[in-house]
Amino acid sequence: QKEVEQDPGPLSVPEGAIVSLNCTYSNSAFQYFMWYRQYSRKGPELLMYTYSSGNKEDGRFTAQVDKSSKYISLFIRDSQPSDSATYLCATRLRDQFYFGTGTSLTVIP
Amino acid sequence: GAVVSQHPSRVICKSGTSVKIECRSLDFQATTMFWYRQFPKQSLMLMATSNEGSKATYEQGVEKDKFLINHASLTLSTLTVTSAHPEDSSFYICSARGGFTGGTEAFFGQGTRLTVV
Repeated sequence: QKEVEQDPGPLSVPEGAIVSLNCTYSNSAFQYFMWYRQYSRKGPELLMYTYSSGNKEDGRFTAQVDKSSKYISLFIRDSQPSDSATYLCATRLRDQFYFGTGTSLTVIP
Repeated sequence: GAVVSQHPSRVICKSGTSVKIECRSLDFQATTMFWYRQFPKQSLMLMATSNEGSKATYEQGVEKDKFLINHASLTLSTLTVTSAHPEDSSFYICSARGGFTGGTEAFFGQGTRLTVV
């Protein structure tokens, strides 16, 4: 079983829609969770970082962690065409980072 | 967030030659740097982890004599692909950890697209 599982999509939504991106993880020891956005042919860019369970909001982005179900979510409100990218969830344990495969998102104008 | 600069962004080389890719943390000290390889529409594949001043730790299946990693300072790590072959063509990305956030997050470089002809 992979440490982090993520549906690769692709996901296509109309502009203005609410987007929900999800991952599951296997190790209950994980406490640090991250979401990265990767545009085509670019390196990943850190979007959100959360520690343990709970929500964290930054503008149109909300990251949510439910440790009881080992579930990580990223919500994007009022999605824009510029949000079209691949979104990677990630977690860290000590010095090891574990990444999901990424979900490809397209926001259609 | 912290800035990690990776250079070059794109390189084309002839088969049999060596290519060096640089990864610099511009505004923080990177105690740990990671090198990844990414194939189209696939996630990041960790190649090696390096800590400043010590030898890199390579993942299983990654040839350390082919992918030479040097982490000589807290702001610079290099990956040298030696005797490159067409199958080494890929997108290589570095990331760095350590800095004002206490080292929790990892920040990525822009990536290097290597094409071996």
